[in-house]
Amino acid sequence: QVQLEESGPGLVKPSQTLSLTCTVSGDSVRSGGHYWSWIRQHPVQGLEWIGYMYYGGDIYSKPSLKSRVIISIDPSKNQFSLKLTSVTAADSAIYYCARASLDGESYFDYWGRGTLVTVST
Amino acid sequence: ETVLTQSPATLSLSPGERATLSCRASQSVGSDFIAWYQLKPGQVPSLLIYGASSRATGIPHRFSGSASGTEFTLTINGLEPEDFAVYYCQNYGSSPITFGGGTKVEIK
Repeated sequence: QVQLEESGPGLVKPSQTLSLTCTVSGDSVRSGGHYWSWIRQHPVQGLEWIGYMYYGGDIYSKPSLKSRVIISIDPSKNQFSLKLTSVTAADSAIYYCARASLDGESYFDYWGRGTLVTVST
Repeated sequence: ETVLTQSPATLSLSPGERATLSCRASQSVGSDFIAWYQLKPGQVPSLLIYGASSRATGIPHRFSGSASGTEFTLTINGLEPEDFAVYYCQNYGSSPITFGGGTKVEIK
């Protein structure tokens, strides 16, 4: 059974960098068959795709976030990470990591439980 | 980008009733690449439907999806107590990936 779990600080100051890690079990981030993804849920606006990448591949991200998003994969720990720079209060949300297929049908078949991140002084 | 508009925002129903959730796309979605998810607070989100009408592994048959042009529908036949949740549709047929605003199915 594939499982994903997010971890990272729950509070980030404005203008700083939000850093989250997703630990994967039951699959290998090195397998190359999936996109490893980040999605967030705003209290009112709903779900927002942030971006994804596959091992050895490029990062794909939402155009409006592209300049602030860094996604990386650490195969030695079977983890992948998100860095979102220059955060503001608008970046406060529940952040989910998820897995999507690489075969052109990029729906998210496994998700983490999510972690709440608040941007505040 | 493809904007997905979900309606209604809230659906108040009783257990056993049928829920019909709508997701309208602002433009054609290639190959009907629409997925539906169920979200509950504090729980892992669940993939229900992909390809507009294919049920994901382990999803009960009371959940079904359909498509007509740019209109996509999720139907839940015979609501069970565990079905009261928020449902989102997702476009993965055109870049960037987008989600609808969600429909909350609440107990009447």
